[in-house]
Amino acid sequence: DSGVTQTPKHLITATGQRVTLRCSPRSGDLSVYWYQQSLDQGLQFLIQYYNGEERAKGNILERFSAQQFPDLHSELNLSSLELGDSALYFCASSSGLAKYEQYFGPGTRLTVT
Amino acid sequence: SQQGEEDPQALSIQEGENATMNCSYKTSINNLQWYRQNSGRGLVHLILIRSNEREKHSGRLRVTLDTSKKSSSLLITASRAADTASYFCAARGGNEKLTFGTGTRLTIIP
Repeated sequence: DSGVTQTPKHLITATGQRVTLRCSPRSGDLSVYWYQQSLDQGLQFLIQYYNGEERAKGNILERFSAQQFPDLHSELNLSSLELGDSALYFCASSSGLAKYEQYFGPGTRLTVT
Repeated sequence: SQQGEEDPQALSIQEGENATMNCSYKTSINNLQWYRQNSGRGLVHLILIRSNEREKHSGRLRVTLDTSKKSSSLLITASRAADTASYFCAARGGNEKLTFGTGTRLTIIP
C-alpha cells in the first residue's frame, strides 16, 4: 500500500459527460501528479501540483483540468468525454520536487461508452 | 510522446534466471527511476539513480546509467514468479517532469 488513495476505482460513463477523479496523497507529501495510461499512448504525464500551485504541465487536453486543495488532496476533472478518454488514470505523490521518487495510487479505470 | 524506449518489449525467462531490461532516453536528465507495475495496478517505485551515478544496487536489483549513451539497464537477479510484471523506466529532466518509457513486460516461468 503506497498510502495514496484514489476514488472511484471504476467509472463508466457516456460520451459528452463530465467526471471528477479524486486523489489523496501520502501524509506529508506536497506534490501531486496525474497520469493517463492507455494501451496506445502508454503512460502519459498530465499535470503536477505542488502545495496547491500548478507546477508542471504535460499532455493534458483543454477539456481536462485539475486542482489541489488546501488539504493537499487533488481532483482531476474530465469534461466532454470522448471514447478515446477511456484509460487508467493514476495519481502519484512525492514529498518534494524533481529528485524524489513518486508513490502511485491504485488508479481509476474510466470507461467511456 | 514517450521520452524513453525500452527494450525488449516483452521478456520470458525461467525462474531463477537473471532478467535484463534496457532503457534509452532522449534529453539530459536529473535522475532516472525504475518502476514496476502489476497488471492493472499502480506503479511501484523500485530504484532511483542520479545523473552523476553509474551503478546502484538494491537487493536483487542492479541499475546502471550511461549518460553519454543516454541509456540505463535494470538487472533482476535470481528471478522469482512474483517478479512477473511490467517494468518502466522514467526520466526526470530539468523541467521536473517524469517521462515514462514504453515498458518491458516480464514473465517469469515457474
